[in-house]
Amino acid sequence: KNQVEQSPQSLIILEGKNCTLQCNYTVSPFSNLRWYKQDTGRGPVSLTIMTFSENTKSNGRYTATLDADTKQSSLHITASQLSDSASYICVVRATGTYKYIFGTGTRLKVLA
Amino acid sequence: NAGVTQTPKFRVLKTGQSMTLLCAQDMNHEYMYWYRQDPGMGLRLIHYSVGEGTTAKGEVPDGYNVSRLKKQNFLLGLESAAPSQTSVYFCASSYSGGGNTEAFFGQGTRLTVV
Repeated sequence: KNQVEQSPQSLIILEGKNCTLQCNYTVSPFSNLRWYKQDTGRGPVSLTIMTFSENTKSNGRYTATLDADTKQSSLHITASQLSDSASYICVVRATGTYKYIFGTGTRLKVLA
Repeated sequence: NAGVTQTPKFRVLKTGQSMTLLCAQDMNHEYMYWYRQDPGMGLRLIHYSVGEGTTAKGEVPDGYNVSRLKKQNFLLGLESAAPSQTSVYFCASSYSGGGNTEAFFGQGTRLTVV
């Protein structure tokens, strides 16, 4: 069964600190992997999109990595800000379908 | 440029009532999607459309119907609402179905069925 699992479920960090969120997937065949940020009460907003041939992609203070061999991805947030408080969702697409498998997300809280 | 707009933002229905959720996009996107988001679960695809006049079933289509009469609008209908349909509904659109095409989401509709 195609699955996307994220860890941790929730995380609390102090402003200015770095953190790393994890995503493991079993989706096959793999097309691409996306990280979304979802603020409370809002729709998801895309941070990065990576294909199987890409190992890393950055978007400002957000850096995503992908290891297609081990089917793992991580999202690293540098110098966190209060506005980073949100849920971060890992999404994987299987080749040849319109179907995206969504993880349940990591809820990040950044404290002042 | 409004992007993807969902109407209404909130709604409370009684069991058995019907309603239609409207999704409108102004980006000339071909593909549109309806998802539901439930606590502890990832977003799940209800129905999608690959162009005006087309619709297709997603992962959890039962109890829902959709229509795409105009390219910019994608309607999600509940004919006879059930408490199990209490959820947050998100509409999304994308330029194409290509692998790296970015999908843009609306702000969501919180539906409660009592």
